[in-house]
Amino acid sequence: KAGVTQTPRYLIKTRGQQVTLSCSPISGHRSVSWYQQTPGQGLQFLFEYFSETQRNKGNFPGRFSGRQFSNSRSEMNVSTLELGDSALYLCASIKGSGDIDTQYFGPGTRLTVL
Amino acid sequence: GQNIDQPTEMTATEGAIVQINCTYQTSGFNGLFWYQQHAGEAPTFLSYNVLDGLEEKGRFSSFLSRSKGYSYLLLKELQMKDSASYLCAVLDSNYQLIWGAGTKLIIKP
Repeated sequence: KAGVTQTPRYLIKTRGQQVTLSCSPISGHRSVSWYQQTPGQGLQFLFEYFSETQRNKGNFPGRFSGRQFSNSRSEMNVSTLELGDSALYLCASIKGSGDIDTQYFGPGTRLTVL
Repeated sequence: GQNIDQPTEMTATEGAIVQINCTYQTSGFNGLFWYQQHAGEAPTFLSYNVLDGLEEKGRFSSFLSRSKGYSYLLLKELQMKDSASYLCAVLDSNYQLIWGAGTKLIIKP
């Protein structure tokens, strides 16, 4: 069974640009969560999607947005990039709508903002 | 606010035992997860505790005390491959995962 895939794996952008990251969950999994990980900060929750609907949202500015498609693939977009957005962005795949499902993480997209 | 505390870094010797502590203050509690994350890789699930007590899984065990807001991950017979960061996360009353910053474990021969 293929795992969670994220593209691209590495990305370099400059301030003010926008970026779109993609996540394909494990086949059969319907829920996707997005996290930002920076050294010393731990994983910060961005948002969660289930069946194309945003089910939960973290405390990030409106520059961060996401969506989920009918095939469960998800994208997140960051507009007007800032230096502080440099981080590892992780996507987690969850099997169903259960609240206590195990999260399976993708390898992440390493975003560097110059 | 919600808070998860873990030591930033720990060092242990190959073959020994190490205990990584996690204390939490969250709005509600629906369980606690431990994940392992090797450098440059994705976190992988280790354990889930929702009731008090010890859960054993091979060389790894996880303990929970809800009244104390406390958990630990116990690693026995340490191997070099156990060098990684260990992340503690609590599922709060909204079923949102709150993550600690992680404990970097360094294993020395």
